[in-house]
Amino acid sequence: AQSVTQLDSHVSVSEGTPVLLRCNYSSSYSPSLFWYVQHPNKGLQLLLKYTSAATLVKGINGFEAEFKKSETSFHLTKPSAHMSDAAEYFCVVSGYPNFGNEKLTFGTGTRLTIIP
Amino acid sequence: DTAVSQTPKYLVTQMGNDKSIKCEQNLGHDTMYWYKQDSKKFLKIMFSYNNKELIINETVPNRFSPKSPDKAHLNLHINSLELGDSAVYFCASSQDLRTGGSYEQYFGPGTRLTVT
Repeated sequence: AQSVTQLDSHVSVSEGTPVLLRCNYSSSYSPSLFWYVQHPNKGLQLLLKYTSAATLVKGINGFEAEFKKSETSFHLTKPSAHMSDAAEYFCVVSGYPNFGNEKLTFGTGTRLTIIP
Repeated sequence: DTAVSQTPKYLVTQMGNDKSIKCEQNLGHDTMYWYKQDSKKFLKIMFSYNNKELIINETVPNRFSPKSPDKAHLNLHINSLELGDSAVYFCASSQDLRTGGSYEQYFGPGTRLTVT
């Protein structure tokens, strides 16, 4: 089975400062990993994904994440926070690499607050 | 154009009623899912269908019954609604892994169900 742990339930940063949202995963094989963002009262939007290609993954809105197998981590970063980044962020790990079990396992979410 | 749409967006009903939530995707995907997001924002998969065939059926009360009339639609019917069913329900879709898809899932805007 796979699991994902988001180490911070709430992160606050000032506008213009770097963002770091931490995620550790557990999997018995090489997983696919994702970060999704959910703005208030909205659906989920894919920020970026890792699927065994380059370990540094660039996403939308200036976000990126680095897959570190030795640390089983997939932290999300952004060099400079913007007010519009305030949202809930979910780290997600894929199911088994077999057809019929493509379910995603979600972390518990990190709420990002941007201080003006 | 909306990729994954859900109706209704809000649903308020009384305990014991039966209600349905509809989902449609125009992405040409083969697999569709239902997720439940509780009050603490935790997301958990409920069901998935591939080409109208039930693939994933997590531990969900049998009051919940998904129906897929075609691969572009996946509806969720709930019988005898209970207070604990209050949540946001998300529909999602993805391309079949066997035809070059990945685990990336596209989510609808959600349906906020409130049972009183």
